[in-house]
Amino acid sequence: DARVTQTPRDKVTEMGQEVTMRCQPILGHNTVFWYRQTMMQGLELLAYFRNRAPLDDSGMPKDRFSAEMPDATLATLKIQPSEPRDSAVYFCASARPGGPGNEQFFGPGTRLTVL
Amino acid sequence: QKEVEQDPGPLSVPEGAIVSLNCTYSNSAFQYFMWYRQYSRKGPELLMYTYSSGNKEDGRFTAQVDKSSKYISLFIRDSQPSDSATYLCAMSRFQGGSEKLVFGKGTKLTVNP
Repeated sequence: DARVTQTPRDKVTEMGQEVTMRCQPILGHNTVFWYRQTMMQGLELLAYFRNRAPLDDSGMPKDRFSAEMPDATLATLKIQPSEPRDSAVYFCASARPGGPGNEQFFGPGTRLTVL
Repeated sequence: QKEVEQDPGPLSVPEGAIVSLNCTYSNSAFQYFMWYRQYSRKGPELLMYTYSSGNKEDGRFTAQVDKSSKYISLFIRDSQPSDSATYLCAMSRFQGGSEKLVFGKGTKLTVNP
């Protein structure tokens, strides 16, 4: 049963600390998306990669957020330093080339709380 | 104005009711329209996918697109408690899972037994 995995599932940290979230896309999927979900803003696209190359990171605060794909099986989203306004659920999603429709497969999310 | 507007609800209905969920959008370049369902503390999952205008039916679910009005709908017939979830509309200019989607904020639906 192929699925996107994310770690950690929950993270509580203090303001100013570094936070790293990890995502393992479904094997064979060549596009990886990072989203942030809050009650106020809904689901917002932060960045996405195709074949490990960054395509668009315009949704990401550049001064504190960074996203990378060190290899095809791992995507990371880092926040340094974290702030209380970063508290949200962060989702990773992956998609395969030529997949039917526009389906993206979402992971379970990382619930981040910054105190 | 956001590209996609969706009434966040919440919406509460009795079991067996017909549910209507809607989104409006401003970008006429959108051609592909999706509905995702998100259960509590889970990631969204694709429920329905339509291209351009028209209707698409899948069991108790019907997706409707009116491009002239920039309006899409999802109808749920004979709603069940298991349909209780947040429903997000999503749109794209191009086809393909690797294309960027724009999501609505989601409508939270509760179906009461």
